[in-house]
Amino acid sequence: QKEVEQDPGPLSVPEGAIVSLNCTYSNSAFQYFMWYRQYSRKGPELLMYTYSSGNKEDGRFTAQVDKSSKYISLFIRDSQPSDSATYLCASTDGGNTPLVFGKGTRLSVIA
Amino acid sequence: GAGVSQTPSNKVTEKGKYVELRCDPISGHTALYWYRQSLGQGPEFLIYFQGTGAADDSGLPNDRFFAVRPEGSVSTLKIQRTERGDSAVYLCASSSDPTAYNEQFFGPGTRLTVL
Repeated sequence: QKEVEQDPGPLSVPEGAIVSLNCTYSNSAFQYFMWYRQYSRKGPELLMYTYSSGNKEDGRFTAQVDKSSKYISLFIRDSQPSDSATYLCASTDGGNTPLVFGKGTRLSVIA
Repeated sequence: GAGVSQTPSNKVTEKGKYVELRCDPISGHTALYWYRQSLGQGPEFLIYFQGTGAADDSGLPNDRFFAVRPEGSVSTLKIQRTERGDSAVYLCASSSDPTAYNEQFFGPGTRLTVL
């Protein structure tokens, strides 16, 4: 079992829909949780960053972490065609330990 | 430059050849990371430098892979006796602080194809 599991999709939604992307993780020591967006043939760019459990909102994006169930979510409101990309979740226990990424979910928002 | 740059953007080589991939981090960033992203997968950690030294090389898959950062800035990932399974996108990232996960910036990657 990988430490971070993520459904690779693909996921296709109409413009304006609310998108829910999810990951689960197995390492109880994970404290830091990130969501990255990766456009085709580009490097990942950080979208959301949270520490421990709770919610964080930034514009149309909301990240949720539930450490009791080891569940990480990213919600995108009013999705736009420009949101079409692969979304990667990542976690780490902090210190100098490296990030552990999920497989990524490919999202297409259809105009 | 403003971001992390990687050269070449694409590299095609034949099985058994030697390749070098270069990463130019953001100026002043002391931490540098190499990841490998295979098709349909997320990035997988290879090696982390703090300054000139490799602080963690636990992700290197075998002794054909080696990386250096002699002056604490540019880094080169070296792959000997390439195999078809080495085909992937090799990503580099840098940060000013290894614990500042919200400040780890990725380059565009080098797409390596081993024929």
